[in-house]
Amino acid sequence: AQRVTQPEKLLSVFKGAPVELKCNYSYSGSPELFWYVQYSRQRLQLLLRHISRESIKGFTADLNKGETSFHLKKPFAQEEDSAMYYCALSNSGAGSYQLTFGKGTKLSVIP
Amino acid sequence: KAGVTQTPRYLIKTRGQQVTLSCSPISGHRSVSWYQQTPGQGLQFLFEYFSETQRNKGNFPGRFSGRQFSNSRSEMNVSTLELGDSALYLCASSLSRGRGTEAFFGQGTRLTVV
Repeated sequence: AQRVTQPEKLLSVFKGAPVELKCNYSYSGSPELFWYVQYSRQRLQLLLRHISRESIKGFTADLNKGETSFHLKKPFAQEEDSAMYYCALSNSGAGSYQLTFGKGTKLSVIP
Repeated sequence: KAGVTQTPRYLIKTRGQQVTLSCSPISGHRSVSWYQQTPGQGLQFLFEYFSETQRNKGNFPGRFSGRQFSNSRSEMNVSTLELGDSALYLCASSLSRGRGTEAFFGQGTRLTVV
């Protein structure tokens, strides 16, 4: 069974400090990992996906298959980064499309 | 382009009743998935529909069902409501179902069972 773990429910950092949101997964196949973000009073939206190896809003995430991790990082936190962050795993290779989410980490950036 | 639209936004129902929630996907999107979000369990997959067929179902009782119409709009139904069904129900649509597919979420329907 696939599982996503986000160990921190809440993470508070000062503006300008580095940010790392942790995500570990359990999956027997070839994983597809995503980070979704929900800003206050907005809908859940994609931040980035490992397959694109992209940097969005200064955030990056590297898939580490050895450690089964997909941590989200940003070198300098901004106040507008305050939001709820969800790590998600997709099993789209199994004939269906399903996302398994972690329980989320609330990031609070202190001015 | 209009986003995923869910109606109604809020519902209050009594235990034992049934409820139907509606989801209109982004135009051209044929895959629609439903998720239940609660403070205790987080976001949990309910089911996915593609081309009017249920392709996958999560670990929920048979009281939870859904369907998809030829225009890709989807409905989910919960019968014999229980207090524990109180949750935010999110619908997501996607253009395809391949690797790296992005899911676009609606704003959700907040269901309260009293």
